[in-house]
Amino acid sequence: AQSVAQPEDQVNVAEGNPLTVKCTYSVSGNPYLFWYVQYPNRGLQFLLKYITGDNLVKGSYGFEAEFNKSQTSFHLKKPSALVSDSALYFCAVSDPFSGGYNKLIFGAGTRLAVHP
Amino acid sequence: DVKVTQSSRYLVKRTGEKVFLECVQDMDHENMFWYRQDPGLGLRLIYFSYDVKMKEKGDIPEGYSVSREKKERFSLILESASTNQTSMYLCASSIPGTGGYFGPGTRLTVT
Repeated sequence: AQSVAQPEDQVNVAEGNPLTVKCTYSVSGNPYLFWYVQYPNRGLQFLLKYITGDNLVKGSYGFEAEFNKSQTSFHLKKPSALVSDSALYFCAVSDPFSGGYNKLIFGAGTRLAVHP
Repeated sequence: DVKVTQSSRYLVKRTGEKVFLECVQDMDHENMFWYRQDPGLGLRLIYFSYDVKMKEKGDIPEGYSVSREKKERFSLILESASTNQTSMYLCASSIPGTGGYFGPGTRLTVT
């Protein structure tokens, strides 16, 4: 079955330190990969995506993600965390059988807490 | 700026009531989606639509139906609300390759 795993329910980081939020996927073919962020009582905001090309993708708010095909991973990173980065982060992959319909398969989410 | 709006941010309904959740997008997108979000489960797809009057079941369609009479509007209907449908409901629209643009969500409580 197609699935996305975010192995950490919560990640705690001190402000100014680098952060990594992990994502691995089990999807056939060459899916598109996405990261979204959700602030309290808000919808999801798009951060970045990988479709093809360079394995390091840069996105909004200083975030980047590294695609690793052999490990089927797409980890989200930021060199220096801010308290305002504290939020819920979702990894998603496109369902390879959905054609052009853009169905997404989501991970369970990882709560990032950045402490001053 | 891209915009997806949902009719209510918070909704409280009684068991057995018929519930309508409305979603409107202003980007002329063909694809629209309804997800529900539950802690520890991420987002799960309920239904999606790829054109006016067209719909497809997602992963958890039981207890729900949808309507898309106009391109910009996609409605989710709970025919007879139950307590296990208490959740956050998120609408999204998209074009291929862009992921999705999400609305702010409707937090539904069924008592």
